[in-house]
Amino acid sequence: DTAVSQTPKYLVTQMGNDKSIKCEQNLGHDTMYWYKQDSKKFLKIMFSYNNKELIINETVPNRFSPKSPDKAHLNLHINSLELGDSAVYFCASSQTGPGIFGYTFGSGTRLTVV
Amino acid sequence: KQEVTQIPAALSVPEGENLVLNCSFTDSAIYNLQWFRQDPGKGLTSLLLIQSSQREQTSGRLNASLDKSSGRSTLYIAASQPGDSATYLCAVKAASGAGSYQLTFGKGTKLSVIP
Repeated sequence: DTAVSQTPKYLVTQMGNDKSIKCEQNLGHDTMYWYKQDSKKFLKIMFSYNNKELIINETVPNRFSPKSPDKAHLNLHINSLELGDSAVYFCASSQTGPGIFGYTFGSGTRLTVV
Repeated sequence: KQEVTQIPAALSVPEGENLVLNCSFTDSAIYNLQWFRQDPGKGLTSLLLIQSSQREQTSGRLNASLDKSSGRSTLYIAASQPGDSATYLCAVKAASGAGSYQLTFGKGTKLSVIP
């Protein structure tokens, strides 16, 4: 059973297109995240959703819009794709709470904008 | 703002050696620290999680320590194997306001174990 699953695994698209990445977790966690890993392999938080409510929205262009239909799903919509959006996007989940709760990551979606 | 630094950025060792990866963080008000492994083109696999009240955690050949007051953690790998070659990421969980939490990553240490 895959704990955090993302689709698609690879996405190649042209500049200006709109695309979506889907994420689902079956761990019963109440918080989900989107992280971006750039070409230098640095992971940075983009969004955090807790029980379908946006908690963290880092300085991300408003072309990126997360949507959470329920606490097990967090999708990422990207409008008007640009070359600089090329990266690997990781979905993660965690349970709200202090020290004992870690994060579980999906396998990533490699987005290439041409 | 929390910053996480990992040293060295890359490390190459012969098979069988014991090695230590270092992680430091600027704000000691953390809830836990997680070590992850990332293989090329793959996702993140959680290796060890140390709660802020703990000093160390062990799993097989891996041992992670935490000195919260000094903002440091180490990952010790015993008897390294070529299969250990990967990028190792350190991440700390801290409060980000409004009852939420945030995981902040270091840039990783790329480990190569030479047969």
